[in-house]
Amino acid sequence: EVQLVESGGGLVKPGGSLRLSCAASGFTFSTYSMNWVRQAPGKGLEWVSSISSSSSYIHYADSVKGRFTISRDNAKNSLYLQMNSLRAEDTAVYYCARDPDDGDYVGYFQHWGQGTLVTVSS
Amino acid sequence: QSVLTQPPSVSAAPGQKVTISCSGSSSNIENNYVSWYQQLPGTAPKLLIYDNNKRPSGIPDRFSGSKSGTSATLGITGLQTGDEADYYCGTWDSSLSAYVFGTGTKVTVL
Repeated sequence: EVQLVESGGGLVKPGGSLRLSCAASGFTFSTYSMNWVRQAPGKGLEWVSSISSSSSYIHYADSVKGRFTISRDNAKNSLYLQMNSLRAEDTAVYYCARDPDDGDYVGYFQHWGQGTLVTVSS
Repeated sequence: QSVLTQPPSVSAAPGQKVTISCSGSSSNIENNYVSWYQQLPGTAPKLLIYDNNKRPSGIPDRFSGSKSGTSATLGITGLQTGDEADYYCGTWDSSLSAYVFGTGTKVTVL
């Protein structure tokens, strides 16, 4: 069974940093593209970033480009999101989501984690 | 601001049918596969339809997807109270090099 478990969320001040992690199990992590998707309170879904299996292809939403960095450690079956220069508008539940395969662009989100809440507030 | 437009809400009585539209452009829907996601209250989204009209295992055939030009449609037949949720379309946008979601539609069973 595919399992994606996010961690690392919490309360951070504007301008601060946070690192999210996603622990994957139940599939061969190193052969799939992975993603981060977020949802602000009471709002819709927003794709944040994607990374291919070997980290060769990485994409970011314009809203986080230059502030967020996606990475992965295939030996540890883990996905990460380093978030710097955080703003109030980054407050959201952050979901880890798996692609159906590997590639240079996002196909769709076949499996989702339960999410971790990030709150940016002074 | 999302590049894919959905109606904010749709509703129907139990057993009836609803359709949800998703309007985009040539850089997204027209030239890429569309997927649909269901988000029940307080839970993570779940894949409902992929590659325009395919259902993952476990998704009942009451749910269907179609695409024509720059628009896609999700249909739900035999509406049940358990179908009350938010529904989102999504696809890759080749011009933005980004995945885009629709604005979301809340389905209410009357």
